[in-house]
Amino acid sequence: SQQGEEDPQALSIQEGENATMNCSYKTSINNLQWYRQNSGRGLVHLILIRSNEREKHSGRLRVTLDTSKKSSSLLITASRAADTASYFCAPFQGGSEKLVFGKGTKLTVNP
Amino acid sequence: DAGITQSPRHKVTETGTPVTLRCHQTENHRYMYWYRQDPGHGLRLIHYSYGVKDTDKGEVSDGYSVSRSKTEDFLLTLESATSSQTSVYFCAISEAGGNSPLHFGNGTRLTVT
Repeated sequence: SQQGEEDPQALSIQEGENATMNCSYKTSINNLQWYRQNSGRGLVHLILIRSNEREKHSGRLRVTLDTSKKSSSLLITASRAADTASYFCAPFQGGSEKLVFGKGTKLTVNP
Repeated sequence: DAGITQSPRHKVTETGTPVTLRCHQTENHRYMYWYRQDPGHGLRLIHYSYGVKDTDKGEVSDGYSVSRSKTEDFLLTLESATSSQTSVYFCAISEAGGNSPLHFGNGTRLTVT
């Protein structure tokens, strides 16, 4: 299992702006997953992107995956105060069913 | 949150006492996970299960044991709690392990005094 590393650790933007978070990992993967965590709650799954996919959309979320650079990015467009949360990536290597998370990016959207 | 329940939600216990946390699911998912979350460390995997009576260690398994005697329940036991095990514990379930999304419970906040 491998851990993704999110960057930046913290991000503060104004409502209406776009937010971009990045995730890097070290070895080849089967898929990469993004999760959101609101304060005091469990993680909520956002998007799963497979290794043969380059881009995936879900509402205001856009995830890209570049396997040659071993990196992924999560873009939130037209952010809202309700998007304030921590965001985690989890690259899934396969071999075992362990899913390991990084330390996350803490996003603050100011009204 | 639907389909996964952690109990208790909060617990305070003394150093040296045994503690068992319970994760219960109604989704009939094969895979279940226990994580702990601490400031500065993100989420760390303790143990996971890939079927009844089938478990494996995660990154931080020392001091913890697990049991899964039926599909719906995954128990995490701290045999002799220590202050370093003060944390928020999350259970997660998955239909196909890492090949599908994990669904998390709302966590158990454990304080060891």
